[in-house]
Amino acid sequence: EADIYQTPRYLVIGTGKKITLECSQTMGHDKMYWYQQDPGMELHLIHYSYGVNSTEKGDLSSESTVSRIRTEHFPLTLESARPSHTSQYLCASSPYDRVSNQPQHFGDGTRLSIL
Amino acid sequence: KQEVTQIPAALSVPEGENLVLNCSFTDSAIYNLQWFRQDPGKGLTSLLLIQSSQREQTSGRLNASLDKSSGRSTLYIAASQPGDSATYLCAVGLYNTDKLIFGTGTRLQVFP
Repeated sequence: EADIYQTPRYLVIGTGKKITLECSQTMGHDKMYWYQQDPGMELHLIHYSYGVNSTEKGDLSSESTVSRIRTEHFPLTLESARPSHTSQYLCASSPYDRVSNQPQHFGDGTRLSIL
Repeated sequence: KQEVTQIPAALSVPEGENLVLNCSFTDSAIYNLQWFRQDPGKGLTSLLLIQSSQREQTSGRLNASLDKSSGRSTLYIAASQPGDSATYLCAVGLYNTDKLIFGTGTRLQVFP
């Protein structure tokens, strides 16, 4: 029943490759987020967006970049992958609410391994 | 800087027990607090969201409370079932931003 989709689910790739992790949501949410999660560790926000053409960096510094050309799509790109980029990447979205924050809905994540 | 701590890190209980998971945060100026469930290899499922003006939220067998002044929240699970086995994450939302600060979670195992 997921309304937010991430592809691929798993990716094992060599150093130096360009990688794009896809995230799409069908709920019409304005806000979207990318988190990075290492095993047994907390999630850290690396990018977020309030809507089309809006992108902001999160709390954790990341060499990745994002774009938001369409409301439903928020891809994350690594221009040249390194082993230090090995992690799980989770995408989330939430609707805009002027009064209060709304729950964030998460995708199943992409588990990325850089050899 | 806001820090979120969850205790215990892991918990194993027999089916049917009522249990409490704890979450503490260092800065009481939060906008809301959210509890999530994460199954192995999966994303997060939002369980309950408590706005800063609220004291608790309930959904089925789950009840979450919030005490901003003491910087604490608890997630109460009644009559636990093996299907409740997962990692439970607490996250605080900050004012004027949609950022969530996550704890490291409590890994729960409910055995038959």
